Amino acid sequence: RKEVEQDPGPFNVPEGATVAFNCTYSNSASQSFFWYRQDCRKEPKLLMSVYSSGNEDGRFTAQLNRASQYISLLIRDSKLSDSATYLCVVIIYNQGGKLIFGQGTELSVKP
Amino acid sequence: DVKVTQSSRYLVKRTGEKVFLECVQDMDHENMFWYRQDPGLGLRLIYFSYDVKMKEKGDIPEGYSVSREKKERFSLILESASTNQTSMYLCASSLRGTTGNIQYFGAGTRLSVL
Repeated sequence: RKEVEQDPGPFNVPEGATVAFNCTYSNSASQSFFWYRQDCRKEPKLLMSVYSSGNEDGRFTAQLNRASQYISLLIRDSKLSDSATYLCVVIIYNQGGKLIFGQGTELSVKP
Repeated sequence: DVKVTQSSRYLVKRTGEKVFLECVQDMDHENMFWYRQDPGLGLRLIYFSYDVKMKEKGDIPEGYSVSREKKERFSLILESASTNQTSMYLCASSLRGTTGNIQYFGAGTRLSVL
């Protein structure tokens, strides 16, 4: 079983739609959580951290459920420019703080 | 503005060649990382370094070695390139610390081994 799992998609949605991605992790010692965004043929870049209480940044909302060991990313009013691959990232405390990446979920927003 | 620079965007090499991938960061970061990214597999950690002259194996170190002689530079070496090492290679850096690290990535090197 992979340490971090995501639905690879692709998710094809119209502009203005709300879309949600889930990510599950298997190691209960996981300590920190992030969503990274990767545009086609570009490097990953941090989108947002995920806090225990949940957090929002504009149209983006991230949530963490430690009991069920999953994190989510909600995108409201999606834009064409949101088209990218979204990577779920987990830092595991007892592995020296390594980042563990999910394989990514591809989002394509259509006009 | 933070910057991680990888020496080549695209590289084509032949089987058996020795290949050097260079990465330089200008943020005075202690930690540096080498990943490869393949479709369906995501990013996989090859090697990382927490300080000059230090190196640690990641999840898939076989067939690779690294060198960190200066803080700002982290080199990935393929001693004898093979076709299964055709991939996108990404370098990243971050500040020291075991939790909450944000990694900054270079633009990547797409390596083809023929």
